Amino acid sequence: SAVISQKPSRDICQRGTSLTIQCQVDSQVTMMFWYRQQPGQSLTLIATANQGSEATYESGFVIDKFPISRPNLTFSTLTVSNMSPEDSSIYLCSVPNRGHDNEQFFGPGTRLTVL
Amino acid sequence: DAKTTQPPSMDCAEGRAANLPCNHSTISGNEYVYWYRQIHSQGPQYIIHGLKNNETNEMASLIITEDRKSSTLILPHATLRDTAVYYCIVTQEGYSTLTFGKGTMLLVSP
Repeated sequence: SAVISQKPSRDICQRGTSLTIQCQVDSQVTMMFWYRQQPGQSLTLIATANQGSEATYESGFVIDKFPISRPNLTFSTLTVSNMSPEDSSIYLCSVPNRGHDNEQFFGPGTRLTVL
Repeated sequence: DAKTTQPPSMDCAEGRAANLPCNHSTISGNEYVYWYRQIHSQGPQYIIHGLKNNETNEMASLIITEDRKSSTLILPHATLRDTAVYYCIVTQEGYSTLTFGKGTMLLVSP
């Protein structure tokens, strides 16, 4: 299994500002995923972040709004840029179980509130 | 990926078996059925998956119908800590991206 931590666990931000969320894994992984969970909703995949290459974004998500860094095999960041109240969500990162891509381990999430 | 349909909510008494259904009538031959759950304020947790045979692990059992158009997740002796949203996901092995539906909110009561 993999242990994943996220920072911050929660934050309250003003509209127009940006927040960078960190995801740290206790083992080296090639792929990392970022999800968004809006209030009362299910999870939606934002992007896939492979180390050494540009992140791949899902439909409806763009790099200018959600830039992602993947500097090494254990760490990634997601930035929520120019925030609006609609960005208030829980943001989660996940990594696949080695050899079992669809068995994913999830971080605890970052609860973001934008005022 | 095939679409799944789950009841929005279910109740279960503590100690009884919880049987959570999932309909995936458009599943194709190379797609697997995965189950995850999300306890309040936590990230989702992988439970079990299967292709066409029934599967069992320390957490649950997965029963897939012969035509593979539906499945049931069974928690044999539900506890209060099993209260969570349970997601049924159909995806190709190795495809890695997961599409979460609305899931079933299971409430286990004393």
